[in-house]
Amino acid sequence: DAGVIQSPRHEVTEMGQEVTLRCKPISGHNSLFWYRQTMMRGLELLIYFNNNVPIDDSGMPEDRFSAKMPNASFSTLKIQPSEPRDSAVYFCASSLFTTTETQYFGPGTRLLVL
Amino acid sequence: DQQVKQNSPSLSVQEGRISILNCDYTNSMFDYFLWYKKYPAEGPTFLISISSIKDKNEDGRFTVFLNKSAKHLSLHIVPSQPGDSAVYFCAAGVGNAGKSTFGDGTTLTVKP
Repeated sequence: DAGVIQSPRHEVTEMGQEVTLRCKPISGHNSLFWYRQTMMRGLELLIYFNNNVPIDDSGMPEDRFSAKMPNASFSTLKIQPSEPRDSAVYFCASSLFTTTETQYFGPGTRLLVL
Repeated sequence: DQQVKQNSPSLSVQEGRISILNCDYTNSMFDYFLWYKKYPAEGPTFLISISSIKDKNEDGRFTVFLNKSAKHLSLHIVPSQPGDSAVYFCAAGVGNAGKSTFGDGTTLTVKP
């Protein structure tokens, strides 16, 4: 199994540009999570999906952030427009059940907004 | 309000000794607790978990202890090895809520 796949691994962009992060969960997993890790706020949950449906997006910082899961094998996290304070490592994780079942994390996307 | 707290940002121990990482939580509804380990440039990986019906769970060198009355859990690594050097995250959740809340992590350094 290839594990959770994220792309790109690194992204450098300028303030005001649109950023799209991509995630492919582990095949067969029905829950998908997007996290953001920063020095100031640690690892925070942004949004999670169950069976492709957003269940809890209370962690999404503001309207500039949006996430979609058009099918069971793909999800995107979009930031438009991006700001320097969005610089962080963004992780995608998937799990088999919508419980506290073990989550499997991708390698992360390191985003730098100049 | 940070519901899961790891008050020690870092810990350094000698190889072969015991490492004890601590975690406190405030939400009495949490009934499932997990520890993840994270190496640089990688995502966190699951290490060990415990449900609220237990007070101890052991897996090889790793043991997690849960004290529900104190809302405290700890991870013991015995014996510690240099390869254990990583950031350790404590996480907690409610069984049917579908999500975990993470602490800020503790960086463990095991010196040879």
